[in-house]
Amino acid sequence: EIVLTQSPATLSLSPGERATLSCRVSQSVSSYVAWHQQKPGQAPRLLIYDVSNRATGIPARFSGSGSGTDFTLTISSLEPEDFAVYYCQQRNNWPYTFGQGTKLEIK
Amino acid sequence: QVQLVESGGGLVKPGGSLRLSCAASGFTFSDYFMTWIRQAPGKGLEWVSYIPGSSSYTNYADSVKGRFTISRDNAKNTLYLQMNSLRTEDTAVYYCARDLVERVGSGCPDQWGQGTLVTVSS
Repeated sequence: EIVLTQSPATLSLSPGERATLSCRVSQSVSSYVAWHQQKPGQAPRLLIYDVSNRATGIPARFSGSGSGTDFTLTISSLEPEDFAVYYCQQRNNWPYTFGQGTKLEIK
Repeated sequence: QVQLVESGGGLVKPGGSLRLSCAASGFTFSDYFMTWIRQAPGKGLEWVSYIPGSSSYTNYADSVKGRFTISRDNAKNTLYLQMNSLRTEDTAVYYCARDLVERVGSGCPDQWGQGTLVTVSS
């Protein structure tokens, strides 16, 4: 099973700042990495698929990058609604797996 | 718009059974792979099972293999998860989700239901 390790576990930033979230994968997953956002009491929402493609309706401040085993989600300028938990996910090999999440909290 | 509405969750004793349903609307259900993903209280996400539109095969996480069965009724636009021999560690919110890409499974869930809570406890 492919393991995804996200860092940091918690990221404390202020609105307007830039957020950089990391996802390291235990083996190469080609470009099959996605990012999901989850707010308290809500279902997750797809943000990014295949490393860098924004899902429908996702603002341009969200971007993804990386290759091989290291991937990054960047939020260029944080809005109040961006404070949530973020999960990376691989779909290269079954079972598809998620990272443990990074909680982005208001500083 | 796309809607996925789960039902069937509840409290069940260890060893018991439960069947979850997910009613889909707003898209051509038979064209999409569908999936069940769960989240234990305060924990992360775990992919449980996956089924193509044709039901030609199914995939399961090792943790549920042999106990859970995913199925679908395309005429009723409904996805199911039959859960048998339930364990306390199966306690979670169960989400159904639609795949991102029509016809060809992408392994990327892009539309999620609101989830249904399954609690396994004596």
